[in-house]
Amino acid sequence: DQQVKQNSPSLSVQEGRISILNCDYTNSMFDYFLWYKKYPAEGPTFLISISSIKDKNEDGRFTVFLNKSAKHLSLHIVPSQPGDSAVYFCASYGNDYKLSFGAGTTVTVRA
Amino acid sequence: NAGVTQTPKFQVLKTGQSMTLQCAQDMNHEYMSWYRQDPGMGLRLIHYSVGAGITDQGEVPNGYNVSRSTTEDFPLRLLSAAPSQTSVYFCASRDLSGPPDGYTFGSGTRLTVV
Repeated sequence: DQQVKQNSPSLSVQEGRISILNCDYTNSMFDYFLWYKKYPAEGPTFLISISSIKDKNEDGRFTVFLNKSAKHLSLHIVPSQPGDSAVYFCASYGNDYKLSFGAGTTVTVRA
Repeated sequence: NAGVTQTPKFQVLKTGQSMTLQCAQDMNHEYMSWYRQDPGMGLRLIHYSVGAGITDQGEVPNGYNVSRSTTEDFPLRLLSAAPSQTSVYFCASRDLSGPPDGYTFGSGTRLTVV
């Protein structure tokens, strides 16, 4: 039973436009949330995170929003660039040393 | 600074064979873990360790063994490979004194069991 769900397996966006990736979680004990980016034949790399005490965190073109009452977070990428084409994983952490991952969303940025 | 090194990168096994996937890190991280990635499933935790001599099970531990005799190494053993273990395996490490942002992943081992 997956505790972290990414219901959109893929997203196609035009270069320069906004990409919005969504993630839902079920475990209310999760208190830290992360987004990872993964290119083919490479391991996941950390992108951005947010603590449960915040509702927004920005890092350059990347912003993560957290809605604790809805158990929902989203990642906004503005503007989208061709190098953003990758698989994005949402992950949650609940202070038990374990990261729980969603199934991933494949983002394709069209020129 | 090599980070997390996984070997081999690719492996084909026959059903019933055994093998060990190697993982080594040079960052003196206390925490090490193994994940498997399957289509539509994301990454699922197999086993993890919070220090030398300490291991624990993750979400999908059946069919896998681990040991942690040193801080640097965390090998994953398949005792009798099954086609259901065909997957991409990732090792990750982390400094437990820092925030959960600090997981470093290896580049993966692609395993096929025929």
